[in-house]
Amino acid sequence: ETGVTQSPTHLIKTRGQQVTLRCSSQSGHNTVSWYQQALGQGPQFIFQYYREEENGRGNFPPRFSGLQFPNYSSELNVNALELDDSALYLCASSPGTGSDEQYFGPGTRLTVT
Amino acid sequence: GQNIDQPTEMTATEGAIVQINCTYQTSGFNGLFWYQQHAGEAPTFLSYNVLDGLEEKGRFSSFLSRSKGYSYLLLKELQMKDSASYLCAVRDDRHSGGYQKVTFGTGTKLQVIP
Repeated sequence: ETGVTQSPTHLIKTRGQQVTLRCSSQSGHNTVSWYQQALGQGPQFIFQYYREEENGRGNFPPRFSGLQFPNYSSELNVNALELDDSALYLCASSPGTGSDEQYFGPGTRLTVT
Repeated sequence: GQNIDQPTEMTATEGAIVQINCTYQTSGFNGLFWYQQHAGEAPTFLSYNVLDGLEEKGRFSSFLSRSKGYSYLLLKELQMKDSASYLCAVRDDRHSGGYQKVTFGTGTKLQVIP
């Protein structure tokens, strides 16, 4: 059992809307990374947070933003949703930025119509 | 940047051995992961290779050759429950702030048949 939880499990939104996805890290983990996984593809790195600050970012536009809280839980916010944003959104927590341990949550399936 | 290649699909027979290859071209390298992902579920960690050679963990083994940009995952005594996607992922050099990006391949969908 990884201990990483995400909410909600599934979500349906309309193009142009905004969405917030949540992730609770495994106990003792201060680093969280967010990934987008389209159907049939590998996860694509969105960004990483370490001790409440963004520590690295992939090739995603600014309408993808995040937060990490003092308890190391995290949010992914996406503004102005587009149809191509439909995907499985995964968060992964680890005990440090360079750790080889990275535990994924079950993901949030976002559908944009 | 990173470029990771692995076969899209493979089929193998229950009880057999299968080898899933992964090749990569990277601007920096600090290790290679293998993950297993069942349909609709999150990836689960299988292995992490930093040095050249073979690492064995029960029925699963992972091999790395840094000079060749090549890795493989070997699954022995295949079981039906091994039907899943297998993701190869490379971690690159440490960026400012300590961040090391992990880039995933598209995954190999393995089907185990009776």
